[in-house]
Amino acid sequence: AQTVTQSQPEMSVQEAETVTLSCTYDTSESDYYLFWYKQPPSRQMILVIRQEAYKQQNATENRFSVNFQKAAKSFSLKISDSQLGDAAMYFCAYRRFYGGATNKLIFGTGTLLAVQP
Amino acid sequence: NAGVTQTPKFQVLKTGQSMTLQCAQDMNHNSMYWYRQDPGMGLRLIYYSASEGTTDKGEVPNGYNVSRLNKREFSLRLESAAPSQTSVYFCASTLGQGEADTQYFGPGTRLTVL
Repeated sequence: AQTVTQSQPEMSVQEAETVTLSCTYDTSESDYYLFWYKQPPSRQMILVIRQEAYKQQNATENRFSVNFQKAAKSFSLKISDSQLGDAAMYFCAYRRFYGGATNKLIFGTGTLLAVQP
Repeated sequence: NAGVTQTPKFQVLKTGQSMTLQCAQDMNHNSMYWYRQDPGMGLRLIYYSASEGTTDKGEVPNGYNVSRLNKREFSLRLESAAPSQTSVYFCASTLGQGEADTQYFGPGTRLTVL
C-alpha cells in the first residue's frame, strides 16, 4: 500500500523569504501523480501544484515549485517570496496513475506554515 | 459555476442521533468522494462513487452510508452518531477520466458529536 509522510508538523517563514516543505512517499508503482494542496483557515482545499511521475521536469506554478526526486521518493514544495496569504496547512498527496474506479488520493498528515510579517 | 458545495457547514449532534451531509457538484463530474479530516491524520477516504449508480467503501466506512442520488449529488449519512465521528468532512469530485483528473473539494462540514 502507498503511504505519504510529511515529517514537518509546523514550519515558519519570514515574509518575502523562501521556504521548503518536505514530503516523502512509498510506492512500488512506477507511474503515479503527486499533489500539493493548501488548506487555509477557511478549510477549503486548494490545489497548489501537481507532478506527473513520468515527467522529469519539476512542476512550477508562479511562486510555487517542486523538487521531485523519483529515486529517493521525495517531493518537496518550495514557496518563493512568501506572502501572508500563504499561511495555511499544506498537504502532500499521492494518486495512482491508473486509479481505476477509485482515483483516490492518499494524503500526508500536513505541515502548518506560518508566515511572519 | 459553484464547484462543489456542501451543507451544512457546521453541525452538532448528540450520540445516537442521525443526520445526512449533502454534497453537490455542477462540473458534470463522474466521480465523487467523501473524506474525513482528523487532527494529525490528514484526509482519509470514507466512501466513493466512481459513477452514477455505483458506490464503494474507502478506508474508513464503518458507521456511514452513502447515496449517489444522481450525477450531481452524493450524500453521506450517519445512522447513529458516535463521538468518534467528530471530524471535518469533505466532499470532492473529479471528472473520472484518468490522467487529467484533479479532485476538487467542497468547503467542508465541521461535525461535533457530544
